[in-house]
Amino acid sequence: DAGVIQSPRHEVTEMGQEVTLRCKPISGHNSLFWYRQTMMRGLELLIYFNNNVPIDDSGMPEDRFSAKMPNASFSTLKIQPSEPRDSAVYFCASGRVTYNEQFFGPGTRLTVL
Amino acid sequence: EDKVVQSPLSLVVHEGDTVTLNCSYEVTNFRSLLWYKQEKKAPTFLFMLTSSGIEKKSGRLSSILDKKELFSILNITATQTGDSAIYLCAVNQGAQKLVFGQGTRLTINP
Repeated sequence: DAGVIQSPRHEVTEMGQEVTLRCKPISGHNSLFWYRQTMMRGLELLIYFNNNVPIDDSGMPEDRFSAKMPNASFSTLKIQPSEPRDSAVYFCASGRVTYNEQFFGPGTRLTVL
Repeated sequence: EDKVVQSPLSLVVHEGDTVTLNCSYEVTNFRSLLWYKQEKKAPTFLFMLTSSGIEKKSGRLSSILDKKELFSILNITATQTGDSAIYLCAVNQGAQKLVFGQGTRLTINP
């Protein structure tokens, strides 16, 4: 099993640019989660999907952030326009609806200059 | 506001010592408590606790939950340098939503 796959692993961009982070969950998992981790705020849930449907997006910081899950094997998190305060590590995790455990991807380290 | 608080935030010990990490929580709904270990990359799952008083054990690591006092502890005995990591506690509030604590950064010196 390849585990959760995220791309890119590192992203450096300039303020105002659009950023798209990608995630492929573990095959057979039907839940997908996007988290953001910073030193100040720790690990925060941004949004999660069950069976490709967004269930809770209350953690999305503002309208500049959007997430989609067009099918069971792919999700994107987009930031447009990006700002320096968006700099963080963004994790994608997947799991099964009937279980509590979530499996994390390696993360994307985003730096917005 | 739902919150999960871990202590200490940072801990430095010598190899062979025993450590106890703490996690307290105040949440509107509780389904389970999870411990994760985060080294340089992604958090990896350690334990899930749902019932009070039942110890979960894996090698030198063990954990227990007290749902009356709303806390959990993670013990590591005979620590090794490979145990150095950030240990994260999270509470599942149902519908799979995890609320994480800020983590304890554990450093094991040889």
